[in-house]
Amino acid sequence: DAGVIQSPRHEVTEMGQEVTLRCKPISGHNSLFWYRQTMMRGLELLIYFNNNVPIDDSGMPEDRFSAKMPNASFSTLKIQPSEPRDSAVYFCASSPRLEQRDGYTFGSGTRLTVV
Amino acid sequence: DQQVKQNSPSLSVQEGRISILNCDYTNSMFDYFLWYKKYPAEGPTFLISISSIKDKNEDGRFTVFLNKSAKHLSLHIVPSQPGDSAVYFCAAISLNTGTASKLTFGTGTRLQVTL
Repeated sequence: DAGVIQSPRHEVTEMGQEVTLRCKPISGHNSLFWYRQTMMRGLELLIYFNNNVPIDDSGMPEDRFSAKMPNASFSTLKIQPSEPRDSAVYFCASSPRLEQRDGYTFGSGTRLTVV
Repeated sequence: DQQVKQNSPSLSVQEGRISILNCDYTNSMFDYFLWYKKYPAEGPTFLISISSIKDKNEDGRFTVFLNKSAKHLSLHIVPSQPGDSAVYFCAAISLNTGTASKLTFGTGTRLQVTL
C-alpha cells in the first residue's frame, strides 16, 4: 500500500485565493482526519470523518474552512478565502477505526504558504 | 485549552546518553497514550504506546512511563542515536467513553542527538 497520499506537497498562494488540499487514505481505513501543524499549537485536529461522515468539525477555525469526503478514497480540505495566518503544514491521517490503538497513519503533509 | 502539554520545545542530548521527553495531560478521561516521531518533510509516525492500566511499556531502546496520579508520561530513549533526532509528539485518546473519540496531540519536543 502506498500509504496516505496528500497533494500538493507545497502550495503558495496569494491572500484571498481559494486553496484545495487533497487526501487519499489507505484503502480499507474507515476513519480520516485533517490536522494542522503550527509552532504554537502543535498538531491541531481540524475535522474527522468516520465512514465518510463528518463526526466532529469543532476544530475548524472559521467558516472559511470546509472539508468533504465524497467517497471512501478521497477527501478535500478547502480554504476560501485564504489568509496569511492559514500558513501551516496540513496533514491528513487515516485509521482502520477511530479508537485505533496503533494510532493513525499520516500522509507527508501539504505545506501551505499564503502571501 | 491545551489538554496535552509538552513544556520543553527542544532537547539536546549526546549520543549514547539517555533522552527523556516529558508530557503532561489534563483530561482524566484519557486512557491510552501514544508517542509519535516526526522527521522534517514527513508525516508523524507511530512509535510506542501505553494503556492507562500499565505504568511502563518497553520496545527496544524506547520505554514509556505513565504516572496516572500525576497525569504525566515520559519517553526514555536509551542509548540515544543521531537518527533519533526528530520532533516527538505525545498524544492521548479516550478509548472507553462509549462515544467517538480521537487523538489529541501535544505541541512537540524537538530532540537533537549530538555526536
